[in-house]
Amino acid sequence: EIVLTQSPGTLSLSPGDRATLSCRASQSVSSSYLAWYQQKPGQVPRLLIYAASSRATGIPDRFSGSGSGTDFTLTISRLEPEDFAVYYCHQYSSSPPWTFGQGTKVEIK
Amino acid sequence: QVQLQESGPGLVKPSETLSLTCTVSGASISSYYWSWIRQPPGKGLEWIGYIYYGSTNYNPSLKSRVTISVDTSKNQFSLNLSSVTAADTAVYYCARRPSSSWSIGPISYYYAMDVWGQGTTVTVSS
Repeated sequence: EIVLTQSPGTLSLSPGDRATLSCRASQSVSSSYLAWYQQKPGQVPRLLIYAASSRATGIPDRFSGSGSGTDFTLTISRLEPEDFAVYYCHQYSSSPPWTFGQGTKVEIK
Repeated sequence: QVQLQESGPGLVKPSETLSLTCTVSGASISSYYWSWIRQPPGKGLEWIGYIYYGSTNYNPSLKSRVTISVDTSKNQFSLNLSSVTAADTAVYYCARRPSSSWSIGPISYYYAMDVWGQGTTVTVSS
């Protein structure tokens, strides 16, 4: 099973700041199978990025994904008030089980 | 517009079987991976398993207790989780992952779970 470890656990930033979230895998993950989700309290997870760097439909271009192998990054170039949430990385490789990271909370400083 | 809707009991007694159904509208139940994911209160997301063209794959930590099945005539798929305990209390989501892919040169890329149900809260308690 591929374990995904996200860091930091909590990121305290201000609107307008740049956010950099990390996701490290216990073994190599094909970038074809790495996604990022955003979840706000009481809401359904929302797909932001798939295949490591492809933005989902309707996702603003301030969200970008990068990485390969065991290290992946989600970057939010300039935080908007609506971006304060919990973010999960997720691998959905051709060899299950699929797994999620434990989440990074982006909170207002 | 594709929509998924979970349904089932909100309260299940310990040692009993949790049964949920996900009704799919706006898309055929074929040609996609159909998954169940859960989220205990205040915790992260846990993938439970998927069904794809009748073939299933489960989280090893739950495999002995989980069954996912599909009813194509009703455009529904279901989750059964047996011998539940309080640790199974969670919001349960169903989700769709397209099975299609695209290629750039020799590398193929794949879509992730893009449509989720609203989630249903299941509490395990006597």
